[in-house]
Amino acid sequence: NAGVTQTPKFQVLKTGQSMTLQCAQDMNHNSMYWYRQDPGMGLRLIYYSASEGTTDKGEVPNGYNVSRLNKREFSLRLESAAPSQTSVYFCARRVGSYEQYFGPGTRLTVT
Amino acid sequence: GDSVTQMEGPVTLSEEAFLTINCTYTATGYPSLFWYVQYPGEGLQLLLKATKADDKGSNKGFEATYRKETTSFHLEKGSVQVSDSAVYFCASGGSQGNLIFGKGTKLSVKP
Repeated sequence: NAGVTQTPKFQVLKTGQSMTLQCAQDMNHNSMYWYRQDPGMGLRLIYYSASEGTTDKGEVPNGYNVSRLNKREFSLRLESAAPSQTSVYFCARRVGSYEQYFGPGTRLTVT
Repeated sequence: GDSVTQMEGPVTLSEEAFLTINCTYTATGYPSLFWYVQYPGEGLQLLLKATKADDKGSNKGFEATYRKETTSFHLEKGSVQVSDSAVYFCASGGSQGNLIFGKGTKLSVKP
Protein backbone atom coordinates (compact mmCIF):
# COMPACT_ATOMS: atom_id res chain seq x y z
CA ASN A 1 0.00 0.00 0.00
CA ALA A 2 1.65 3.18 -1.24
CA GLY A 3 -0.61 5.38 0.87
CA VAL A 4 -1.76 7.37 -2.16
CA THR A 5 -5.29 7.25 -3.56
CA GLN A 6 -6.45 8.66 -6.89
CA THR A 7 -9.91 9.25 -8.30
CA PRO A 8 -11.33 8.54 -10.75
CA LYS A 9 -9.64 5.38 -12.07
CA PHE A 10 -10.95 5.91 -15.61
CA GLN A 11 -12.38 8.91 -17.42
CA VAL A 12 -13.44 9.72 -20.95
CA LEU A 13 -13.77 13.38 -21.93
CA LYS A 14 -14.71 15.21 -25.07
CA THR A 15 -12.35 17.86 -26.42
CA GLY A 16 -12.90 21.11 -24.56
CA GLN A 17 -14.41 19.59 -21.43
CA SER A 18 -12.83 20.16 -18.06
CA MET A 19 -12.17 17.87 -15.14
CA THR A 20 -10.19 17.56 -11.92
CA LEU A 21 -8.12 14.54 -10.99
CA GLN A 22 -7.99 14.01 -7.25
CA CYS A 23 -5.06 12.70 -5.23
CA ALA A 24 -4.75 12.19 -1.50
CA GLN A 25 -2.07 10.75 0.77
CA ASP A 26 -2.69 9.09 4.10
CA MET A 27 0.58 10.28 5.59
CA ASN A 28 1.88 13.75 6.39
CA HIS A 29 4.59 14.17 3.75
CA ASN A 30 5.30 17.60 2.39
CA SER A 31 6.10 16.88 -1.25
CA MET A 32 3.67 15.56 -3.82
CA TYR A 33 3.97 15.14 -7.59
CA TRP A 34 1.88 14.67 -10.71
CA TYR A 35 3.30 12.70 -13.65
CA ARG A 36 1.89 11.56 -16.94
CA GLN A 37 2.80 8.27 -18.59
CA ASP A 38 2.66 7.87 -22.34
CA PRO A 39 3.66 4.79 -24.35
CA GLY A 40 7.41 4.67 -24.92
CA MET A 41 7.96 7.89 -22.95
CA GLY A 42 8.38 6.81 -19.37
CA LEU A 43 6.88 9.20 -16.81
CA ARG A 44 7.16 12.95 -17.17
CA LEU A 45 6.66 15.51 -14.42
CA ILE A 46 3.69 17.86 -14.84
CA TYR A 47 3.63 19.79 -11.55
CA TYR A 48 4.82 19.33 -8.03
CA SER A 49 4.19 20.76 -4.60
CA ALA A 50 6.99 21.02 -2.06
CA SER A 51 4.62 21.95 0.76
CA GLU A 52 1.06 22.97 1.51
CA GLY A 53 0.13 26.08 -0.46
CA THR A 54 3.08 25.94 -2.89
CA THR A 55 3.22 24.52 -6.41
CA ASP A 56 5.78 24.57 -9.23
CA LYS A 57 5.89 23.59 -12.87
CA GLY A 58 7.60 20.48 -14.08
CA GLU A 59 8.63 19.37 -17.55
CA VAL A 60 5.17 19.36 -19.23
CA PRO A 61 2.84 21.81 -17.41
CA ASN A 62 0.99 23.32 -20.39
CA GLY A 63 -2.75 22.74 -20.29
CA TYR A 64 -2.81 21.86 -16.59
CA ASN A 65 -3.33 23.58 -13.26
CA VAL A 66 -2.86 22.21 -9.77
CA SER A 67 -4.07 22.97 -6.30
CA ARG A 68 -2.58 22.02 -2.92
CA LEU A 69 -5.11 23.25 -0.40
CA ASN A 70 -3.90 21.10 2.46
CA LYS A 71 -1.14 18.65 3.21
CA ARG A 72 -3.14 15.56 2.25
CA GLU A 73 -4.60 16.56 -1.11
CA PHE A 74 -3.06 17.60 -4.42
CA SER A 75 -5.43 17.95 -7.39
CA LEU A 76 -4.73 18.29 -11.11
CA ARG A 77 -7.14 20.22 -13.32
CA LEU A 78 -7.58 20.16 -17.07
CA GLU A 79 -9.46 23.33 -18.01
CA SER A 80 -10.05 22.48 -21.67
CA ALA A 81 -9.09 18.92 -22.49
CA ALA A 82 -7.29 18.09 -25.73
CA PRO A 83 -6.63 14.71 -27.38
CA SER A 84 -2.91 15.20 -26.64
CA GLN A 85 -3.79 14.90 -22.95
CA THR A 86 -4.90 11.30 -23.38
CA SER A 87 -2.59 9.56 -20.96
CA VAL A 88 -2.27 7.77 -17.64
CA TYR A 89 -1.80 10.19 -14.76
CA PHE A 90 0.03 9.25 -11.60
CA CYS A 91 0.25 11.10 -8.33
CA ALA A 92 3.10 10.42 -5.92
CA ARG A 93 4.24 11.40 -2.46
CA ARG A 94 7.89 11.80 -1.60
CA VAL A 95 9.54 10.19 1.40
CA GLY A 96 12.99 11.42 2.36
CA SER A 97 15.24 12.89 -0.34
CA TYR A 98 13.88 11.29 -3.50
CA GLU A 99 12.03 8.04 -2.75
CA GLN A 100 8.49 8.28 -4.09
CA TYR A 101 5.35 6.20 -3.70
CA PHE A 102 2.73 6.22 -6.42
CA GLY A 103 -1.02 5.99 -6.58
CA PRO A 104 -2.79 3.51 -8.89
CA GLY A 105 -3.26 6.06 -11.67
CA THR A 106 -6.09 7.66 -13.64
CA ARG A 107 -6.54 6.53 -17.22
CA LEU A 108 -7.85 9.48 -19.23
CA THR A 109 -9.07 9.41 -22.81
CA VAL A 110 -9.93 12.63 -24.63
CA THR A 111 -11.91 12.19 -27.83
CA GLY B 1 19.95 18.17 -18.73
CA ASP B 2 19.68 15.12 -16.53
CA SER B 3 18.44 11.98 -18.21
CA VAL B 4 18.14 8.22 -17.84
CA THR B 5 18.62 5.74 -20.65
CA GLN B 6 17.62 2.11 -20.35
CA MET B 7 17.67 -0.74 -22.78
CA GLU B 8 14.69 -0.97 -25.04
CA GLY B 9 12.41 -3.93 -24.89
CA PRO B 10 10.56 -5.99 -25.04
CA VAL B 11 12.70 -8.61 -23.38
CA THR B 12 11.44 -12.18 -23.53
CA LEU B 13 13.02 -14.85 -21.34
CA SER B 14 12.29 -18.40 -20.30
CA GLU B 15 11.60 -19.14 -16.66
CA GLU B 16 14.80 -19.49 -14.59
CA ALA B 17 16.87 -17.50 -17.09
CA PHE B 18 19.25 -14.73 -16.02
CA LEU B 19 18.00 -11.17 -16.40
CA THR B 20 19.96 -8.00 -17.06
CA ILE B 21 18.32 -4.67 -17.88
CA ASN B 22 20.87 -1.96 -18.58
CA CYS B 23 20.46 1.57 -17.25
CA THR B 24 22.77 4.58 -17.50
CA TYR B 25 22.24 8.10 -16.25
CA THR B 26 23.45 11.60 -17.01
CA ALA B 27 23.48 14.02 -14.10
CA THR B 28 25.37 16.75 -12.34
CA GLY B 29 26.74 15.14 -9.22
CA TYR B 30 25.71 11.78 -7.87
CA PRO B 31 21.94 11.34 -7.73
CA SER B 32 20.06 8.63 -5.90
CA LEU B 33 19.08 5.82 -8.26
CA PHE B 34 15.98 3.65 -8.33
CA TRP B 35 14.30 0.76 -10.06
CA TYR B 36 10.50 0.73 -10.18
CA VAL B 37 8.26 -2.07 -11.44
CA GLN B 38 4.81 -1.70 -12.99
CA TYR B 39 2.50 -4.68 -13.29
CA PRO B 40 -0.31 -4.51 -15.87
CA GLY B 41 -2.99 -1.99 -14.96
CA GLU B 42 -1.22 -0.89 -11.80
CA GLY B 43 0.88 1.99 -10.53
CA LEU B 44 4.63 1.97 -10.06
CA GLN B 45 6.13 0.13 -7.11
CA LEU B 46 9.58 0.83 -5.74
CA LEU B 47 11.72 -2.26 -6.34
CA LEU B 48 15.10 -1.13 -5.03
CA LYS B 49 17.31 1.89 -4.59
CA ALA B 50 20.89 3.07 -4.04
CA THR B 51 21.86 6.45 -2.70
CA LYS B 52 25.62 6.58 -3.23
CA ALA B 53 28.41 5.12 -5.33
CA ASP B 54 29.11 1.39 -4.86
CA ASP B 55 25.84 0.89 -2.97
CA LYS B 56 23.98 -2.26 -3.94
CA GLY B 57 20.21 -2.23 -3.78
CA SER B 58 18.38 -5.54 -3.55
CA ASN B 59 14.85 -6.83 -3.18
CA LYS B 60 12.93 -9.99 -4.15
CA GLY B 61 16.03 -11.48 -5.79
CA PHE B 62 16.70 -8.39 -7.90
CA GLU B 63 19.96 -6.46 -7.49
CA ALA B 64 21.54 -3.32 -8.89
CA THR B 65 24.88 -1.68 -8.08
CA TYR B 66 25.52 2.06 -8.32
CA ARG B 67 28.59 2.41 -10.58
CA LYS B 68 29.91 5.95 -10.56
CA GLU B 69 32.71 5.22 -13.08
CA THR B 70 30.31 4.00 -15.74
CA THR B 71 27.26 6.07 -14.55
CA SER B 72 25.26 2.86 -14.57
CA PHE B 73 22.70 1.05 -12.42
CA HIS B 74 21.96 -2.21 -14.20
CA LEU B 75 19.17 -4.44 -12.88
CA GLU B 76 19.90 -8.17 -12.50
CA LYS B 77 18.14 -11.28 -11.33
CA GLY B 78 19.62 -14.74 -11.33
CA SER B 79 16.48 -16.73 -12.07
CA VAL B 80 13.33 -15.03 -13.33
CA GLN B 81 9.81 -16.30 -12.77
CA VAL B 82 6.64 -15.86 -14.78
CA SER B 83 5.41 -13.55 -12.01
CA ASP B 84 8.28 -11.13 -12.80
CA SER B 85 6.62 -10.22 -16.09
CA ALA B 86 6.13 -6.46 -15.90
CA VAL B 87 7.55 -3.15 -17.07
CA TYR B 88 10.71 -2.01 -15.29
CA PHE B 89 11.70 1.64 -14.98
CA CYS B 90 15.07 3.03 -14.01
CA ALA B 91 15.00 6.48 -12.39
CA SER B 92 17.34 9.06 -10.93
CA GLY B 93 16.74 11.87 -8.46
CA GLY B 94 16.15 15.24 -10.17
CA SER B 95 16.81 18.84 -9.14
CA GLN B 96 13.18 19.43 -8.13
CA GLY B 97 13.08 16.45 -5.78
CA ASN B 98 11.35 14.63 -8.60
CA LEU B 99 12.33 11.42 -10.35
CA ILE B 100 13.68 11.33 -13.89
CA PHE B 101 12.58 8.12 -15.56
CA GLY B 102 13.86 6.01 -18.39
CA LYS B 103 11.33 4.90 -20.99
CA GLY B 104 10.76 1.52 -19.39
CA THR B 105 11.61 -2.05 -20.40
CA LYS B 106 8.87 -4.61 -20.79
CA LEU B 107 9.82 -8.07 -19.56
CA SER B 108 7.89 -11.18 -20.51
CA VAL B 109 8.82 -14.48 -18.87
CA LYS B 110 7.56 -17.66 -20.53
CA PRO B 111 7.02 -20.91 -18.59
